[in-house]
Amino acid sequence: AQSVAQPEDQVNVAEGNPLTVKCTYSVSGNPYLFWYVQYPNRGLQFLLKYITGDNLVKGSYGFEAEFNKSQTSFHLKKPSALVSDSALYFCAVRERENTDKLIFGTGTRLQVFP
Amino acid sequence: EADIYQTPRYLVIGTGKKITLECSQTMGHDKMYWYQQDPGMELHLIHYSYGVNSTEKGDLSSESTVSRIRTEHFPLTLESARPSHTSQYLCASSEPAGRNEQFFGPGTRLTVL
Repeated sequence: AQSVAQPEDQVNVAEGNPLTVKCTYSVSGNPYLFWYVQYPNRGLQFLLKYITGDNLVKGSYGFEAEFNKSQTSFHLKKPSALVSDSALYFCAVRERENTDKLIFGTGTRLQVFP
Repeated sequence: EADIYQTPRYLVIGTGKKITLECSQTMGHDKMYWYQQDPGMELHLIHYSYGVNSTEKGDLSSESTVSRIRTEHFPLTLESARPSHTSQYLCASSEPAGRNEQFFGPGTRLTVL
């Protein structure tokens, strides 16, 4: 069965430092991978996706993610964190071929300190 | 402006009441979804629809029901609310083809007393 894992419940980083939020996946077939961000009392906002092509995917708000097939990972990165990046981040994978159903990870809370 | 809307944003209601959570999208998407999320926790798919008159149950068993009479509208109903239904409910929609991201509404935070 398809699945995603976010091994860190929380990531703390100082403002201006690079940040990484980890995600690993398990799929049969080609993975379609997504990152979403959720601010308090809000719905999820789409950040970026990997379908095919370049392993480095650029998204909204300066975020990027690197698809690594050999390590089955799709880590979210940003070169310089902002306090306003503090939020809950979800990785997701398409459930199976020919479906739009997504399986979400358990979420990682990012805290950026001034 | 193309968007996805949910009303109400917050609802506090007593046990046994019937409630309907509204979800509408103006993006013309055929596919729509309902998720249940406890605060700060993962999302669980409870219902989805691939078009008018199409509804399916999701991975998490739910006592709620949904309908899809119009493309843009996907309401969720609880016939008799219970405290165990207290949660956040998120509606989403997506374009066909499986490559496209889901767009989420702002959510309804439901509290059943």
